[in-house]
Amino acid sequence: KNQVEQSPQSLIILEGKNCTLQCNYTVSPFSNLRWYKQDTGRGPVSLTIMTFSENTKSNGRYTATLDADTKQSSLHITASQLSDSASYICVVSFYNTDKLIFGTGTRLQVFP
Amino acid sequence: NAGVTQTPKFRILKIGQSMTLQCTQDMNHNYMYWYRQDPGMGLKLIYYSVGAGITDKGEVPNGYNVSRSTTEDFPLRLELAAPSQTSVYFCASSHNNEQFFGPGTRLTVL
Repeated sequence: KNQVEQSPQSLIILEGKNCTLQCNYTVSPFSNLRWYKQDTGRGPVSLTIMTFSENTKSNGRYTATLDADTKQSSLHITASQLSDSASYICVVSFYNTDKLIFGTGTRLQVFP
Repeated sequence: NAGVTQTPKFRILKIGQSMTLQCTQDMNHNYMYWYRQDPGMGLKLIYYSVGAGITDKGEVPNGYNVSRSTTEDFPLRLELAAPSQTSVYFCASSHNNEQFFGPGTRLTVL
């Protein structure tokens, strides 16, 4: 079954600290993996998109990694800010299609 | 550019009522999508369109209908609202593999 699983479900960190969110997927064949940020009451916003041949991609303080062999990805957030409080969703697309499989997200809360 | 806009932001329906969720994009994207997001669940695809005049079912199409008469607009129709359709609905458009989401419509069916 094609699934995307994320961990942890929720995470609380202090402002300025780093954190890493995990994503495991069983989608096959695989085209690309995306990380989205979703603020409360808003639509998801794209952070990174990686194809199967890319190992890492950065967007400011966000760095995503991908291991296509083990079907794992991580999103590392450096020097967290209060505005990083949001849900982070891992999304995997099927090869050569626009069909996306969404994870359930990790809810991150950053406290001062 | 306004991007993807959705109306209304919130709506409460009674069982059996009908309504149309509006979605408009001003980026001239051919691909458009409707998703629903239930608490604790990942987004599920309801319907999608690859261009004006072309629509297709996604993963959870039952109870919904769509139309795509123009590139800009992709309305989602609920004919007989049921409590199971209580959810947050997101419209999206895509270009070069990247999807852009609207702000969502929170629908409650009582």
